[in-house]
Amino acid sequence: RKEVEQDPGPFNVPEGATVAFNCTYSNSASQSFFWYRQDCRKEPKLLMSVYSSGNEDGRFTAQLNRASQYISLLIRDSKLSDSATYLCVVSGGSSGGYQKVTFGIGTKLQVIP
Amino acid sequence: ETGVTQTPRHLVMGMTNKKSLKCEQHLGHNAMYWYKQSAKKPLELMFVYNFKEQTENNSVPSRFSPECPNSSHLFLHLHTLQPEDSALYLCASNPLTNRQQQFFGPGTRLTVL
Repeated sequence: RKEVEQDPGPFNVPEGATVAFNCTYSNSASQSFFWYRQDCRKEPKLLMSVYSSGNEDGRFTAQLNRASQYISLLIRDSKLSDSATYLCVVSGGSSGGYQKVTFGIGTKLQVIP
Repeated sequence: ETGVTQTPRHLVMGMTNKKSLKCEQHLGHNAMYWYKQSAKKPLELMFVYNFKEQTENNSVPSRFSPECPNSSHLFLHLHTLQPEDSALYLCASNPLTNRQQQFFGPGTRLTVL
């Protein structure tokens, strides 16, 4: 089983649609969770951290379910500029003095006019 | 601008060449990382340095040799690479806080002929 598993997509959605991505992780000792966004041929950038209570940032909502070991990202009212790859990132399980960080393969989103 | 710079941005080299990738972070962080991103694969952690000390070598072939002269600079020395080493090489840093957010540089796109 992959440490962090994501559907690579692509997800093709019309402008204004709501789209949800899920991510599962295998290490129950994981402590921190993030969604990163990566535009084509660019570096990943932090989109938002994911907290146990769930958190929202504008049109973006992230949820964490520790019991089922999955994380979700909901994007409402999709914009063309949301087109990118969304990386699920999990950290935890100390290794050599730092927390191990594992990336999912990313889910590609294409918002269509 | 993320505060993490990488040079060169693009590199084409033959299998017998020796080259070096450079990363510099202006964020005062204590940890620096090298990642490899190949097509259709998740980011692969290669090396981790905490306070200039290497704390992780993720079974990386010896043709990749990292160097961290101080906590702001990180190098990846390359020699006798293979075509399958062609990828985007990303440098990242973080302050070693609990949340472990990674700040990425723009990457070096490497092509090995």
